[in-house]
Amino acid sequence: LAKTTQPISMDSYEGQEVNITCSHNNIATNDYITWYQQFPSQGPRFIIQGYKTKVTNEVASLFIPADRKSSTLSLPRVSLSDTAVYYCLVGDIGRYSSASKIIFGSGTRLSIRP
Amino acid sequence: GAGVSQSPSNKVTEKGKDVELRCDPISGHTALYWYRQRLGQGLEFLIYFQGNSAPDKSGLPSDRFSAERTGESVSTLTIQRTQQEDSAVYLCASSKGQINEQFFGPGTRLTVL
Repeated sequence: LAKTTQPISMDSYEGQEVNITCSHNNIATNDYITWYQQFPSQGPRFIIQGYKTKVTNEVASLFIPADRKSSTLSLPRVSLSDTAVYYCLVGDIGRYSSASKIIFGSGTRLSIRP
Repeated sequence: GAGVSQSPSNKVTEKGKDVELRCDPISGHTALYWYRQRLGQGLEFLIYFQGNSAPDKSGLPSDRFSAERTGESVSTLTIQRTQQEDSAVYLCASSKGQINEQFFGPGTRLTVL
């Protein structure tokens, strides 16, 4: 069971780089790491997904060390609109035999100040 | 293109009544998921469909909860004899494949009085 642990909240300022780390000590060989963003009164939105090393897209980077027991979501030059809850999700949905393996957790509430 | 849609957007019901929540996934998405989110909390996984098959239903909180899916299309989540503790936002998501990005609907806010 790949439980994830994230900080409950983080604060930063506009223009700064923000790094949110997620711990997943029991990650399995076939598990992927996925991050979602959720604004109030909306469903979560996919940000990025990776398996190992580094993944980068137009909005974020995901750093995964060799042991894969943690991952770090990096948001470059944040703005006020990046204020949201960020969820780390670990799992291999295709091989899920138990529903309890899909865990979003409570997420990290990121607040960006002017 | 059209995203995931859910109906109703809001539902207020009395304790003990049955409710049915609907999810229309993105066309062509084989996987469909239901989640529950209580106020200020994270997402609680309920059930996952691959096609119209649900590999495991143990995420459903009690036997008052059930879900069905017609082919690779619409899904309904039914809550029988609703309780106040069932009040939450129920989110549906779909994805092309098993580990692909999940696209979420806007959710149904259920309030049980």
